[in-house]
Amino acid sequence: AQSVTQLDSQVPVFEEAPVELRCNYSSSVSVYLFWYVQYPNQGLQLLLKYLSGSTLVKGINGFEAEFNKSQTSFHLRKPSVHISDTAEYFCAVSYTGTASKLTFGTGTRLQVTL
Amino acid sequence: EAQVTQNPRYLITVTGKKLTVTCSQNMNHEYMSWYRQDPGLGLRQIYYSMNVEVTDKGDVPEGYKVSRKEKRNFPLILESPSPNQTSLYFCASSYGQLYGYTFGSGTRLTVV
Repeated sequence: AQSVTQLDSQVPVFEEAPVELRCNYSSSVSVYLFWYVQYPNQGLQLLLKYLSGSTLVKGINGFEAEFNKSQTSFHLRKPSVHISDTAEYFCAVSYTGTASKLTFGTGTRLQVTL
Repeated sequence: EAQVTQNPRYLITVTGKKLTVTCSQNMNHEYMSWYRQDPGLGLRQIYYSMNVEVTDKGDVPEGYKVSRKEKRNFPLILESPSPNQTSLYFCASSYGQLYGYTFGSGTRLTVV
């Protein structure tokens, strides 16, 4: 069965510091991976996605993620965060051949402070 | 503007009173899906649809119904709501598996 694990429920960080949000998925032959962001009282917005090819993918707002097949991970990173990055971040996986089934992790709350 | 529109945004209802949450998208997407979001559980898929008249169960379909009679609309029906269906609901649509979903703004449902 598809599953995604986000071990960190909350990550506090100071503004301008780097951050990494961790995501691991259950192993499969081929996967598509996504990161979404949810700002307070809003829906989810796609940050970036990995489909194939280069393992380092860049997204909006300066975020990037690296696909690591051997470790079944897809960690999200940003070299310098801003207050406006405070939000909830969700990792999601879709396995090839499963049509529109997208499985989400439980989310990581990124709290950026001065 | 390309968007997924859900109505209502907020709803308080009583146990057992049938309700429908509407969802409409203007992007000609074939795929549509309903999720519920609960604290500590993330988003869980309720139902999804790959095209008109084609729907399938997600991970938590019990107590919900859906229909897809038109490409743009995908209503979520709670025939007899119960308090454990109190949640934040999201509708989403997509061109397909490779594109990711576009989400609506959510419907916060409270069943008392």
